[in-house]
Amino acid sequence: AQSVAQPEDQVNVAEGNPLTVKCTYSVSGNPYLFWYVQYPNRGLQFLLKYITGDNLVKGSYGFEAEFNKSQTSFHLKKPSALVSDSALYFCAVRDGAGSYQLTFGKGTKLSVIP
Amino acid sequence: NAGVMQNPRHLVRRRGQEARLRCSPMKGHSHVYWYRQLPEEGLKFMVYLQKENIIDESGMPKERFSAEFPKEGPSILRIQQVVRGDSAAYFCASSSEGDTQYFGPGTRLTVL
Repeated sequence: AQSVAQPEDQVNVAEGNPLTVKCTYSVSGNPYLFWYVQYPNRGLQFLLKYITGDNLVKGSYGFEAEFNKSQTSFHLKKPSALVSDSALYFCAVRDGAGSYQLTFGKGTKLSVIP
Repeated sequence: NAGVMQNPRHLVRRRGQEARLRCSPMKGHSHVYWYRQLPEEGLKFMVYLQKENIIDESGMPKERFSAEFPKEGPSILRIQQVVRGDSAAYFCASSSEGDTQYFGPGTRLTVL
């Protein structure tokens, strides 16, 4: 079985400050990890993924995430937050050797305060 | 380059009616996935299809729900005899083999 935990329902950060959205996962095989962003009444937009290789992956809109195998974490980061980054962020995992189905966390609402 | 398309975007049904949700994958993608999002929750996997085949339906309720992805045309998620608990946002995603899943805008189903 696979699972994802996003321990914070909401994260507030001032515009221009760095942001972190936390994610931990559990999977029996090799983890394939993803971050998506959802704006109100919209679908999910793909931000970035980790499959293999460098633990620091860079994605869209200046976001990056760090894969930490020992802590089973995949936290999303951005050096300088924008008001337009305010949205709902989802972390997802799938077993690289298993089914293609993604398991999502419950989401973290990011609010960037001007 | 059109993304994943879903229609209708909003669907209202009365209890006992049928709901049909359509999904056209991105060009070049032959894998389709359906997910359901209940209010204040993340997405839950329902079913994974390739052309004319259901690959994994482990997340699909055993009754009233069915899905297909015919050789021609969009993938269809069908819910028979809808109940209020079926009210949710239904998202379709598509991918090429084992690759990143790209999501459509969703269909918001409301059951009165």
